Amino acid sequence: AQSVTQPDIHITVSEGASLELRCNYSYGATPYLFWYVQSPGQGLQLLLKYFSGDTLVQGIKGFEAEFKRSQSSFNLRKPSVHWSDAAEYFCAVVLWPNDYKLSFGAGTTVTVRA
Amino acid sequence: GAGVSQTPSNKVTEKGKYVELRCDPISGHTALYWYRQSLGQGPEFLIYFQGTGAADDSGLPNDRFFAVRPEGSVSTLKIQRTERGDSAVYLCASSLTAGTGDEQYFGPGTRLTVT
Repeated sequence: AQSVTQPDIHITVSEGASLELRCNYSYGATPYLFWYVQSPGQGLQLLLKYFSGDTLVQGIKGFEAEFKRSQSSFNLRKPSVHWSDAAEYFCAVVLWPNDYKLSFGAGTTVTVRA
Repeated sequence: GAGVSQTPSNKVTEKGKYVELRCDPISGHTALYWYRQSLGQGPEFLIYFQGTGAADDSGLPNDRFFAVRPEGSVSTLKIQRTERGDSAVYLCASSLTAGTGDEQYFGPGTRLTVT
């Protein structure tokens, strides 16, 4: 079945430490890949996206993600976490041009401790 | 410029009542989407509009759910005979078109609680 999997439900990280959030997808073709962040009371904000080309993509707020076709993964990273990065993070895919709706993983909640 | 707005931000209703949730997309965006986010889950697609017509309503869970976009801008999601299982955050998004590469911009959502 087609799916987006985020294996980690909750991650706690110390401020200043590095962060990596995992995302795996299961689709027949390589989908278009996204990472969104959702802070309490806020809408979903796009952090970055991968369509093609360089497999390491840079996003906003110091985030980056690496696409690995062989592992069907699109993991999100940040070298040094700030307290304001505490939020819920969602990996999502779109199967353009045959489809247009976003399919999301279940999300990873990130807690940042001082 | 103004982003996607949704009203109300919170709605508490009793089981069996009718509710309407409103979405104001970004001006000029022809594509509009509704998603539902249950507690502890990622958003799930409900319905997609291209212009005034519902191009894909395959995600609506049953016939108690209906959505309209009469003038190709504002959309209203309507839920009849609400059930406790309808409690969730309802998210609206819009994009310039539904074409490849067009980013979906999300509103802050409406949190619906059915008691």
